Amino acid sequence: SYELTQPPSVSVSPGQTARFTCSGDKLGDKYTCWYQQKPGQSPVLVIFQDNKRPSGIPERFSGSNSGNTATLTITGTQAMDEADYYCQAWDRTTAVFGGGTKLTVL
Amino acid sequence: QVQMQESGPGLVKPSETLALTCTVSGGSMSFYHWSWVRQPPNKGLEWIGYISNSGSTDSNPSLKSRVTISVDTSKNQFSLRLNSMTASDTAVYYCARFNSALRIFDYWGQGTLVTVSS
Repeated sequence: SYELTQPPSVSVSPGQTARFTCSGDKLGDKYTCWYQQKPGQSPVLVIFQDNKRPSGIPERFSGSNSGNTATLTITGTQAMDEADYYCQAWDRTTAVFGGGTKLTVL
Repeated sequence: QVQMQESGPGLVKPSETLALTCTVSGGSMSFYHWSWVRQPPNKGLEWIGYISNSGSTDSNPSLKSRVTISVDTSKNQFSLRLNSMTASDTAVYYCARFNSALRIFDYWGQGTLVTVSS
């Protein structure tokens, strides 16, 4: 079965750039989404089709995808961005989520 | 604004069948697919399956033999049945709208915790 691998944690100071990686075999050939989940809340879509932002998502969120790695970048990280971030892609007709990365804003 | 709300038992006994319903408001069910995703305590997200607007279904191969998803558009509801429950099925169960054109889960319910215990 297809797997997406994410590092368990990322830490940044406010105002810095946070980068989240998601690795999978030939992931660049698939579209990747990213979901933000704050404690006790439902996931929220922040990036879809590798680099598109849904309405209402701040411009500081961006994405890229090439080769075997997709990347979510938060430029100018704010305290409110502290959350778990999950990548997701489709393996044919099966939705696959990465294990998630916890962002700590120090 | 689309809103989604899960309902069902919070406690299920081992070997029994879980039955959850998701009620959708604020939008038509006709043009979208409807999905279930779960999250064990302190773990990541796992896609369970979806039902299309035409009634076809697909589900995670790891759960396929145990999953039934149905829809009742007259009630603006769709449902999940997961049989042969075990402790490893303890999780928060989310319903979500699946935008099949963009292949994204764009609206989510608040989730409901289901515990499997005797």
